[in-house]
Amino acid sequence: DQQVKQNSPSLSVQEGRISILNCDYTNSMFDYFLWYKKYPAEGPTFLISISSIKDKNEDGRFTVFLNKSAKHLSLHIVPSQPGDSAVYFCAASDIQGAQKLVFGQGTRLTINP
Amino acid sequence: NAGVTQTPKFQVLKTGQSMTLQCAQDMNHNSMYWYRQDPGMGLRLIYYSASEGTTDKGEVPNGYNVSRLNKREFSLRLESAAPSQTSVYFCASSEFKGAAYNEQFFGPGTRLTVL
Repeated sequence: DQQVKQNSPSLSVQEGRISILNCDYTNSMFDYFLWYKKYPAEGPTFLISISSIKDKNEDGRFTVFLNKSAKHLSLHIVPSQPGDSAVYFCAASDIQGAQKLVFGQGTRLTINP
Repeated sequence: NAGVTQTPKFQVLKTGQSMTLQCAQDMNHNSMYWYRQDPGMGLRLIYYSASEGTTDKGEVPNGYNVSRLNKREFSLRLESAAPSQTSVYFCASSEFKGAAYNEQFFGPGTRLTVL
C-alpha cells in the first residue's frame, strides 16, 4: 500500500518556465512533508519542507503548497534552471512515527535549454 | 565536515554470503537510518536508531540486522544475502528533537548486487 504517491515518473520543462511536481498521500495522520532532490550516484539532499499547519512555504525559487483536504502537495520551481534536472522525492511523516519518513516513488525532472 | 559517509560504494555478493555496510556521520546527530532504493519504489526504511543504544524496525527489516556502534556509527548487516536484496542502500542521520522534525542528511549510497 503506497501511502505517498508521485504519479508522474518524469517531467520535461523548458528552461525559465515553471516546473510543478505533484505528490498525493493517503494517511491522514501525516503532518510534516518534505521534498528531496537526488542527482545520479549521490544521496538525496533536502530541499524544502512544510508543516500541516501551513498551506505554503517558500524558499527562493522553490515553493511547496499543501492542500490537506485533497491530501495533495506540490513543489513549484520558478524559474527552472538546467541544474534543477534531477529526481525529486516527496516524503511524509506523522507525529507518532515522526522519525520515520515515507517516500514517494520519485519524479525525474528534465530542464531543457 | 564529511557529513554522512558510507563504505563500500559498490559490492557484488553471491547468494548466501554475508556482509556489513558501514555508515558514519560527523554531525553529532542522535538519530541514524538505513534505507534501500529500488527502481520505481522510492526509498524504504529498513531500520533506524533514535539514539545510541536503541534500534527499531522500519518498513522492510526482514533479512537485515543493524548495530549502533556508537553515536557516530550505524552498520547494516546482511547475514545471508539474497538476489532480492540487490539494491542501492542509503544511510542517513538527523538531529531529531521530539515532535519538531529535522530533515535527514543522506550518504552517497552503496550499490549492492547479489548474484
